[in-house]
Amino acid sequence: SYVLTQPPSVSVAPGQTARITCGGNNVGSKSVHWHQQKPGQAPVLVVYEDINRPSGIPERFSGSNSGNTATLTISRVEAGDEADYFCQVWDTSGDHQRVFGGGTKLTVL
Amino acid sequence: VQLQQWGAGLLKPSETLSLTCAVYGGSLSGYYYSWIRQIPGKGLEWIGEVNYDGSSRYLSSLKSRATISIDTSMNQFSLKLHSVTAADTAIYYCARSYDDYILSWGQGTAVAVSS
Repeated sequence: SYVLTQPPSVSVAPGQTARITCGGNNVGSKSVHWHQQKPGQAPVLVVYEDINRPSGIPERFSGSNSGNTATLTISRVEAGDEADYFCQVWDTSGDHQRVFGGGTKLTVL
Repeated sequence: VQLQQWGAGLLKPSETLSLTCAVYGGSLSGYYYSWIRQIPGKGLEWIGEVNYDGSSRYLSSLKSRATISIDTSMNQFSLKLHSVTAADTAIYYCARSYDDYILSWGQGTAVAVSS
């Protein structure tokens, strides 16, 4: 089955830019979606189809996807952005299934 | 649209996990209705999903034990996972999916399997 690889952790100071990567074989040919999960809460979709934001998600959240890496970029990071972030794709290579990356813990220093 | 889920939180090995999720504020048509679980401290695992007309698909490794169904008259969908073991201890989420992506999530139900 398709594998998505994320770094376990990313740390950034408030006001700086955080970049969280999601690696996969030719992931640029798929649509990548990103979910934010704060402690004790259910995940929330923050970016879909590589670059789009659902209503209510700040413009500080953006995405890109090319080659073997998709990236979630959070500009002007705030303390409230501290959370786990998961990338997700729809894998049609074998049994059709939704696949998640292992998640990245964003720490705001 | 809001998703509200419920079900038993403590099971013994070999029992059947049963969870239900109600969809409030929107029609069921046009979406897939998914179940996803998260083992504490670990990542997310998609279990499977069903659409409005009852067509379902499952994670290969759980296909033999999982059944996901939909009740359009009640605006609800359900998960049954048979013959549970300690390895099935997790937080289970229902979710509404559109096309490639998971659009919204339920609040989660913690399920523990212990003798």
